[in-house]
Amino acid sequence: ELKVEQNPLFLSMQEGKNYTIYCNYSTTSDRLYWYRQDPGKSLESLFVLLSNGAVKQEGRLMASLDTKARLSTLHITAAVHDLSATYFCAVDMYGNQFYFGTGTSLTVIP
Amino acid sequence: DAGVIQSPRHEVTEMGQEVTLRCKPISGHDYLFWYRQTMMRGLELLIYFNNNVPIDDSGMPEDRFSAKMPNASFSTLKIQPSEPRDSAVYFCASSRFGTAEAFFGQGTRLTVV
Repeated sequence: ELKVEQNPLFLSMQEGKNYTIYCNYSTTSDRLYWYRQDPGKSLESLFVLLSNGAVKQEGRLMASLDTKARLSTLHITAAVHDLSATYFCAVDMYGNQFYFGTGTSLTVIP
Repeated sequence: DAGVIQSPRHEVTEMGQEVTLRCKPISGHDYLFWYRQTMMRGLELLIYFNNNVPIDDSGMPEDRFSAKMPNASFSTLKIQPSEPRDSAVYFCASSRFGTAEAFFGQGTRLTVV
């Protein structure tokens, strides 16, 4: 059974601080995705990581993938309030079958 | 493109009633997914289609749930009869093989009373 685990589940951080969200998965896959969900809203795609060692950056967010360790990270640099949301990683199994992690609820405090 | 379109956005129904959720995927996408989101269980993949054919429905919780995709531009998820524990947000998503991520609709918030 595929397991996709994120930690932490809840993260409260001050503006300006850095932090990393971790996504571990239990099966071989070289495709991993990060999504953002605002309260009451849909899921918005943030990053697509398609190979070992892939690194993508957008603004204050940077995502990386280590397929050998079955680990992806989402690093937040100098957090701002607008980043408050729930972040999900998703692993692609068998091609185009997406399994989501538990989500990390991020709150950035002024 | 308008993105993935779901209807209705909100549905309140009484226990025992039939509920039908609708989805129009992005044109040109050949994969369609139905997910259910709850606080307790997170995002669960219920079923997905490839080229209108159901590929894996192992996530469908019970026989009360059924899904169809009669053509490339329309899919339904039906619950009959509905129960209070079916209350959740149901998302439809679509993707195109080989081009990465799934795009999500706005979701249908279902409340069964």
